Amino acid sequence: GQQVMQIPQYQHVQEGEDFTTYCNSSTTLSNIQWYKQRPGGHPVFLIQLVKSGEVKKQKRLTFQFGEAKKNSSLHITATQTTDVGTYFCAGDRMDSNYQLIWGAGTKLIIKP
Amino acid sequence: KAGVTQTPRYLIKTRGQQVTLSCSPISGHRSVSWYQQTPGQGLQFLFEYFSETQRNKGNFPGRFSGRQFSNSRSEMNVSTLELGDSALYLCASSLVGRGEQYFGPGTRLTVT
Repeated sequence: GQQVMQIPQYQHVQEGEDFTTYCNSSTTLSNIQWYKQRPGGHPVFLIQLVKSGEVKKQKRLTFQFGEAKKNSSLHITATQTTDVGTYFCAGDRMDSNYQLIWGAGTKLIIKP
Repeated sequence: KAGVTQTPRYLIKTRGQQVTLSCSPISGHRSVSWYQQTPGQGLQFLFEYFSETQRNKGNFPGRFSGRQFSNSRSEMNVSTLELGDSALYLCASSLVGRGEQYFGPGTRLTVT
């Protein structure tokens, strides 16, 4: 079936450490989107990647789209408490019918 | 411009009852998608409407239904509520179904 696998499910980091979440699709994606959901909030769009091998940066966040357009990653450098939340990827499969395929999300937890 | 609005924000119902949730998309957006989110779970896709037509449906029982009006506002209905239907119900609007999704704050439904 249509799947976008996202790992890890949880990541505990000390403030200041880096964080990475990965998404992998079994088929080629036309684009991939990333969202952040703060605790108690709703998902908020972060970015969309379209081109093979694309890398985009937003301050401490780096987004990559694989050469084969089947995988993507989000890397946060030097995490801060404001980064806490769940990060979701959503892939637009070329053969899907107007439907995004969502990853299960990675929850970023800052250790006290 | 105004964001996506959902009403009501909170709802408590009893098993066996039915419920209707409403979503008003961003002006000009013709696509509305609905998602169910339970604690610690990702976004489970319910259905997507575009110009009053259901284009996609997720793997939910027939108790879950929806519709979209000519002004793009959408409603979803859950009949014969079960305890497992307790969740946050999110709607998202976009210009086209697979584009950037703008989420509303959600309706938190509790079934007792």
